[in-house]
Amino acid sequence: EVQLVESGGGLVQPGGSLRLSCAASGFTFSSYWMHWVRQTPGKGLEWVANIKPDGTQKTYVDSVKGRFTISRDNAENSLYLQMNSLRAEDTAVYYCLAWGSSANWGQGTLVTVS
Amino acid sequence: DVVLTQSPLSLPVTLGQPASVSCRSSQSLVHSDGSTYLHWFQQRPGQSPRRLIYKVSNRDSGVPDRFSGSGSGTDFTLKISRVEAEDIGVYYCMQHSHWPHTFGQGTKLEIK
Repeated sequence: EVQLVESGGGLVQPGGSLRLSCAASGFTFSSYWMHWVRQTPGKGLEWVANIKPDGTQKTYVDSVKGRFTISRDNAENSLYLQMNSLRAEDTAVYYCLAWGSSANWGQGTLVTVS
Repeated sequence: DVVLTQSPLSLPVTLGQPASVSCRSSQSLVHSDGSTYLHWFQQRPGQSPRRLIYKVSNRDSGVPDRFSGSGSGTDFTLKISRVEAEDIGVYYCMQHSHWPHTFGQGTKLEIK
């Protein structure tokens, strides 16, 4: 069974940092593009970043460029999102998403910047 | 950025009746490789999103055949042939033909 389990969310002050993790199982993690997507009540779903299966290509939405860093460890079947210089508008539920022949989402982790 | 505009935003439907959601893009979603990367997701209350349709018209595994997708270029449609109670939730279109990937604002399907 495919599983994606996010962790690392919480309450942080503006300007602070958090590191989100996503533990993957049940599929060949190293073959999948991985994404972070966030959801807020006001703005719906917003794609944040993605990373190529081998980690050599990373892309970010403009609003997080220079502040967020996506990474992965294929040996550990894990995806990460380092979030620095957090702002109130980064408050959201953050999902990891595995995109391939199927598209699998985690349950999400809540980040509150206040 | 590509803007995806969904309509309607609220969709009250009687059980057993059809439903349709439109997704219009601010620019063509035909990728340079010839594919059209327009997908549909369902988010039931309290759950994570789930992909229903990928690349316009391909149903994901386990998705009932009452769901279908169609369209081309800038205009796309998700249709449910006969709405069932389990279909309530919010439906989103999403594109990854262009960077950054973007989502529509969502259409909330509810039972009349």
